[in-house]
Amino acid sequence: DAGVTQSPTHLIKTRGQQVTLRCSPKSGHDTVSWYQQALGQGPQFIFQYYEEEERQRGNFPDRFSGHQFPNYSSELNVNALLLGDSALYLCASSLTSPRGNQPQHFGDGTRLSIL
Amino acid sequence: GESVGLHLPTLSVQEGDNSIINCAYSNSASDYFIWYKQESGKGPQFIIDIRSNMDKRQGQRVTVLLNKTVKHLSLQIAATQPGDSAVYFCAENLSNSGYALNFGKGTSLLVTP
Repeated sequence: DAGVTQSPTHLIKTRGQQVTLRCSPKSGHDTVSWYQQALGQGPQFIFQYYEEEERQRGNFPDRFSGHQFPNYSSELNVNALLLGDSALYLCASSLTSPRGNQPQHFGDGTRLSIL
Repeated sequence: GESVGLHLPTLSVQEGDNSIINCAYSNSASDYFIWYKQESGKGPQFIIDIRSNMDKRQGQRVTVLLNKTVKHLSLQIAATQPGDSAVYFCAENLSNSGYALNFGKGTSLLVTP
């Protein structure tokens, strides 16, 4: 049973460029969340997708956008890259349930470096 | 500021001893908590969760305790092993803020032989 998979594992970009990161959720999960983790810090919530729509967003600018596909996979897009966008980008999947919160399971992330 | 914080940034324990990692939260509306383990170069790995209607939950070698009176969460690891060395995060979900998990900065656990 595959867990959460993310691609690519590493990426180097320059300022002003655009990037797309991809995520496949764990089998049976229908919800995908994205987090940004700076070195030495805990993950920061970017947004969450469910039923192909963004249903909650954290404190990130509009340069950060996403998409969820009918097969529940998701993409994170970042435009006009800044040096400060260098971080580990984590995808987490979960199952939306009427029984309440379910644990989010993380992939190993994409390490994005901006030069 | 962060509503989830950890009392100690680093913790060193001897192999075989029990470990206790603490976490404080400030929002009384938090109703769901998760502990994660993150090894170098990997994403956070789910350890155990607890809802606010419980005060204790046990897993394999781990126990999470929740004290809502003082807004304190702890993770106890029994018979700590070298493979337990990692950074541990507690994360909270605020019932009135939807689905986002709010993470603290983490505690680094080092297990020495």
